[in-house]
Amino acid sequence: DAKTTQPPSMDCAEGRAANLPCNHSTISGNEYVYWYRQIHSQGPQYIIHGLKNNETNEMASLIITEDRKSSTLILPHATLRDTAVYYCIVGNAGNMLTFGGGTRLMVKP
Amino acid sequence: KAGVTQTPRYLIKTRGQQVTLSCSPISGHRSVSWYQQTPGQGLQFLFEYFSETQRNKGNFPGRFSGRQFSNSRSEMNVSTLELGDSALYLCASSRGGRGDEKLFFGSGTQLSVL
Repeated sequence: DAKTTQPPSMDCAEGRAANLPCNHSTISGNEYVYWYRQIHSQGPQYIIHGLKNNETNEMASLIITEDRKSSTLILPHATLRDTAVYYCIVGNAGNMLTFGGGTRLMVKP
Repeated sequence: KAGVTQTPRYLIKTRGQQVTLSCSPISGHRSVSWYQQTPGQGLQFLFEYFSETQRNKGNFPGRFSGRQFSNSRSEMNVSTLELGDSALYLCASSRGGRGDEKLFFGSGTQLSVL
């Protein structure tokens, strides 16, 4: 699986949009971009995934660049409960994910 | 719909013992995968079972094994426990397709080896 690069930590003000970047320059054509998050002491939670097009669901939006070498996860109105570690993962074997270090997002009042 | 259930939630064992962890997937899900999470190594893939067969395997020693039953429930076993096996063990389930799949994780079993 391709590797990803994420900033180790980010802060965001409550109510503002949180934009989490991810670089995946070696992604291959059939690999998806997945985002999961993990709140302390819980299992990771699926957020969103995409292949080429931008995606949006009730939790977040995923913006994938045209060359697919990077993506951004957008939480439109961050709340304190969004404080978590966010993992960007690329792959095509949905059940065999390679997690990196993730980004620790701290949402502050 | 019930989520992924892992038992027990906490476990304390001593070196040399063996341990069995259990995972009940979401109803209708046929794939179960297992992950180990430690502060030093992060989240690492152990193996995946689909229809009672191991479909994928990570880079872990043979002391780590698993199985899946006909009702899709899965167990993982660690024999001859070492201190380094102390970790949060997470189970995830999915429908079992490829690529375009989302995983649903349980809350994990926290294993402490003394």
